[in-house]
Amino acid sequence: AQSVAQPEDQVNVAEGNPLTVKCTYSVSGNPYLFWYVQYPNRGLQFLLKYITGDNLVKGSYGFEAEFNKSQTSFHLKKPSALVSDSALYFCAVRDGGYGQNFVFGPGTRLSVLP
Amino acid sequence: GAVVSQHPSWVICKSGTSVKIECRSLDFQATTMFWYRQFPKQSLMLMATSNEGSKATYEQGVEKDKFLINHASLTLSTLTVTSAHPEDSSFYICSARPTGERLQETQYFGPGTRLLVL
Repeated sequence: AQSVAQPEDQVNVAEGNPLTVKCTYSVSGNPYLFWYVQYPNRGLQFLLKYITGDNLVKGSYGFEAEFNKSQTSFHLKKPSALVSDSALYFCAVRDGGYGQNFVFGPGTRLSVLP
Repeated sequence: GAVVSQHPSWVICKSGTSVKIECRSLDFQATTMFWYRQFPKQSLMLMATSNEGSKATYEQGVEKDKFLINHASLTLSTLTVTSAHPEDSSFYICSARPTGERLQETQYFGPGTRLLVL
């Protein structure tokens, strides 16, 4: 079975500082990994994904994530945080070998302080 | 591109009534759409997978007679909450996967529908 962990419920960072939102996963086959962001009372917006290829994936709004197979991690990063980045971030995984459903992590609330 | 809409964005209804939520892919066709439910401060829980022209596949624990799903066209899936009760109050989110895309490709999410049952 596939699963996703986001070990931090809340991440606080000062504006202008780098941010990291952590994600680890477990799948049987090849992992397809995604990051989504959710603003209050809104649906999810796609940020980036890793399917294959370069381990460092660049996405929307200056975000990037690094796939680390040995550590089964896919941490989301941004070099310089903005107050407008404050939102709820979800990591999701799909097992490439089985089925088509996403499994979402519990979410991490990011607060960027001015 | 890849815009998914939901209607209504929020609804308040009396206990015992039925509520229909529409999910539309506006600029692409979607053979497969997904319905999720999100409780406050929790992650998304997949309720069912909706396939155009066939019956939906429900996740374990989701009552198919309670949550009726119809995917009659390649751009529209509907979720009907029948005989709604206060415990059905939640944020319902749909997503759609563009037809022809490989299984690993992205799902695009709607903005969500907040349901409050009094």
